[in-house]
Amino acid sequence: NAGVTQTPKFQVLKTGQSMTLQCAQDMNHEYMSWYRQDPGMGLRLIHYSVGAGITDQGEVPNGYNVSRSTTEDFPLRLLSAAPSQTSVYFCASSPRQGLGMNTEAFFGQGTRLTVV
Amino acid sequence: QQQVKQSPQSLIVQKGGISIINCAYENTAFDYFPWYQQFPGKGPALLIAIRPDVSEKKEGRFTISFNKSAKQFSLHIMDSQPGDSATYFCAADSSASKIIFGSGTRLSIRP
Repeated sequence: NAGVTQTPKFQVLKTGQSMTLQCAQDMNHEYMSWYRQDPGMGLRLIHYSVGAGITDQGEVPNGYNVSRSTTEDFPLRLLSAAPSQTSVYFCASSPRQGLGMNTEAFFGQGTRLTVV
Repeated sequence: QQQVKQSPQSLIVQKGGISIINCAYENTAFDYFPWYQQFPGKGPALLIAIRPDVSEKKEGRFTISFNKSAKQFSLHIMDSQPGDSATYFCAADSSASKIIFGSGTRLSIRP
């Protein structure tokens, strides 16, 4: 059981480049989300999805796009990378969120992105 | 808008001592309060969680104390060990909203 798998683990981009961070989970979880972690800022929600075909914005969505075509995959796309997007990105999944069924979130190992 | 405030930002505790991390929230709709532990180079992992119908939850050396009227909750680590050195995040969640994380506390346990 692999859990939540993120690729790549490290990435360096030039300003203006685009790329996709991959996230896959094998636990059949409905809820998936993307966070960025910056020093002193904690984990900030970028985008989330409550199921295949459904996505919504989080706290800091600007400059990022997501899609959820399958239950397993939730890629995060950087449209035109900026130095302000230098961060560590985490993907998480959980069985369900909402309807009084708050449950544990399972995180991937993270992607460390540097934009120069 | 920061809905969950966590303190301190960093904490150094001697081995065997008690580590205490505090969090405060604003939204009274929150009904689930987890703590996550993160080791360097790893993703956060659930450590312990509490719901507001109880004032305390204990799992081994880890205890959450919850004060609903003050909208505050804290993590206590008894007999702190060097292996507890990590970053700890409190969080607040609700049925109708998204989980919100605190800013994190970097805990170092000195041998």
